[in-house]
Amino acid sequence: KNEVEQSPQNLTAQEGEFITINCSYSVGISALHWLQQHPGGGIVSLFMLSSGKKKHGRLIATINIQEKHSSLHITASHPRDSAVYICAVITGNQFYFGTGTSLTVIP
Amino acid sequence: NAGVTQTPKFQVLKTGQSMTLQCAQDMNHEYMSWYRQDPGMGLRLIHYSVGAGITDQGEVPNGYNVSRSTTEDFPLRLLSAAPSQTSVYFCASKTGTGVSVGEKLFFGSGTQLSVL
Repeated sequence: KNEVEQSPQNLTAQEGEFITINCSYSVGISALHWLQQHPGGGIVSLFMLSSGKKKHGRLIATINIQEKHSSLHITASHPRDSAVYICAVITGNQFYFGTGTSLTVIP
Repeated sequence: NAGVTQTPKFQVLKTGQSMTLQCAQDMNHEYMSWYRQDPGMGLRLIHYSVGAGITDQGEVPNGYNVSRSTTEDFPLRLLSAAPSQTSVYFCASKTGTGVSVGEKLFFGSGTQLSVL
């Protein structure tokens, strides 16, 4: 049983394309995090959301608490955006993670 | 600030051996946690701590022990390694135990562990 489901699993885009990654969860949460895992393995936090929408540069994250769904959008994608994007939810003090979306942006 | 420092980066053990993965943070974070990452399964929480002297189990705690004697350090111990514990391990920390504006989860660089 997966508390967090992501789609798609793999995504290939041409440079400049608009990209959407989806995350659905089945548990009540206090917050949702979007993470980026670089090809070398390092993990960085992109956003923490508990409601609404956040924007940082070309990245936009939204969350709909009632529908238990979040999306990560990348505008004007670039090859340096190639990475695995991971959705994580926190309920109480426990984190649950999606299996990640592997994004490849082709020049 | 060094952030979250995790050592070692690589380790090979034989079945039955013990070892400790070290994790230290210099951000005065209350919350620290350990995860394992396996192909096709994503990250899974092993143990977490909400402050010095307080630890609790996550999703996959069996075969692992933790302690939190200081705010800075949160070591993960494998008492008797098994091949099923072959994985990539990450330590992570965040500010507090609630939800803070602008909160981020800070990860260590990971440990690739192989148990033969």
